[in-house]
Amino acid sequence: DTGVSQDPRHKITKRGQNVTFRCDPISEHNRLYWYRQTLGQGPEFLTYFQNEAQLEKSRLLSDRFSAERPKGSFSTLEIQRTEQGDSAMYLCASSSGDRAYEQYFGPGTRLTVT
Amino acid sequence: AQRVTQPEKLLSVFKGAPVELKCNYSYSGSPELFWYVQYSRQRLQLLLRHISRESIKGFTADLNKGETSFHLKKPFAQEEDSAMYYCALRGGTSYGKLTFGQGTILTVHP
Repeated sequence: DTGVSQDPRHKITKRGQNVTFRCDPISEHNRLYWYRQTLGQGPEFLTYFQNEAQLEKSRLLSDRFSAERPKGSFSTLEIQRTEQGDSAMYLCASSSGDRAYEQYFGPGTRLTVT
Repeated sequence: AQRVTQPEKLLSVFKGAPVELKCNYSYSGSPELFWYVQYSRQRLQLLLRHISRESIKGFTADLNKGETSFHLKKPFAQEEDSAMYYCALRGGTSYGKLTFGQGTILTVHP
């Protein structure tokens, strides 16, 4: 499968724990996006990378959230001191520079904070 | 600020009937509008974009700047069109980030 992959697919954690998600984009794509989706809502933008540079962050991304893309390939999203309100589907997407409008989405990581 | 509104959470039609999924947007500049679709157990994927003015799987959408709308239409719905549809907007200076509406679940009955 050459599409966007995300790991893990599901994560259950207790409030206060830290969690880290990984996204592997399509190999030739230099742009990578993270979105969060809660029940009954569309995806909400969290952050964007072009190669290894994080160029935009949403106000939704509190200081408990951090994202990296160290070598311009895979990306990680870490949530520290999780809260019940962090329970959501976390989606990763990637696109190429010349077709940035077409974002290819991964299957998502469903986080449940108990 | 940019916003996308899809007023219908659920839309049901019978096979062969016309279907229109509504989308309204708010953006001060010249946006790009898209429709993304998510079929059951599949990933979110691009259906069409306003710039291309294409018909994809029989669906079309016209950007109406006066009414700030980008409704998705198909003259004869098929059962395989049943899915979640999201309208999305990209602003000119947003590095490609998409602002999505809440989504509309379309069910096409046989």
